[in-house]
Amino acid sequence: DGGITQSPKYLFRKEGQNVTLSCEQNLNHDAMYWYRQDPGQGLRLIYYSQIVNDFQKGDIAEGYSVSREKKESFPLTVTSAQKNPTAFYLCASSIVGLAGGNEQFFGPGTRLTVL
Amino acid sequence: GQNIDQPTEMTATEGAIVQINCTYQTSGFNGLFWYQQHAGEAPTFLSYNVLDGLEEKGRFSSFLSRSKGYSYLLLKELQMKDSASYLCAVPLRAGKSTFGDGTTLTVKP
Repeated sequence: DGGITQSPKYLFRKEGQNVTLSCEQNLNHDAMYWYRQDPGQGLRLIYYSQIVNDFQKGDIAEGYSVSREKKESFPLTVTSAQKNPTAFYLCASSIVGLAGGNEQFFGPGTRLTVL
Repeated sequence: GQNIDQPTEMTATEGAIVQINCTYQTSGFNGLFWYQQHAGEAPTFLSYNVLDGLEEKGRFSSFLSRSKGYSYLLLKELQMKDSASYLCAVPLRAGKSTFGDGTTLTVKP
């Protein structure tokens, strides 16, 4: 079964600690994305990558970092510099087309709570 | 820049029809997506419109007017399981999309 997975589903961390969220896909998609979703709000783009070893900042990249060493994997690190990290984090992937009209496939999400 | 507006909440009755509107302002246009998201879950793709008009897919239809910067999602024969958030999204050239804040639909018996 092709799909996109995120782990863990729930994550707790103490204030001041860095934490890494996992995202893996076996859909052979070139593009991958990280979003943050706060209660009652839409998705805000943190980082995205269209190809291995390259990634771009989204709208709210401060306090986050990513890597794209493999096509299948796009881990997100929430650093201690992120002032309000408690949120629902969603990873997505898509093919890269010319016109941009490619649906994104989402993982199940990781709910991060900072204690 | 990109700007997408949707109503925050809507309520409808089981078996009825509901229309969820989305207006957008973008510097370029590469179509418009609708996604469904149940509480605590991932969004799932519903529809993609790039040309003007109505696209029907079972109980769900999506309409686009590029000249008006307007789209709507039409849900017919509402079921309780249709209670969810509906996200309007506009893809950009770099492959990323800008999402609206979503419309939370509550279906009542």
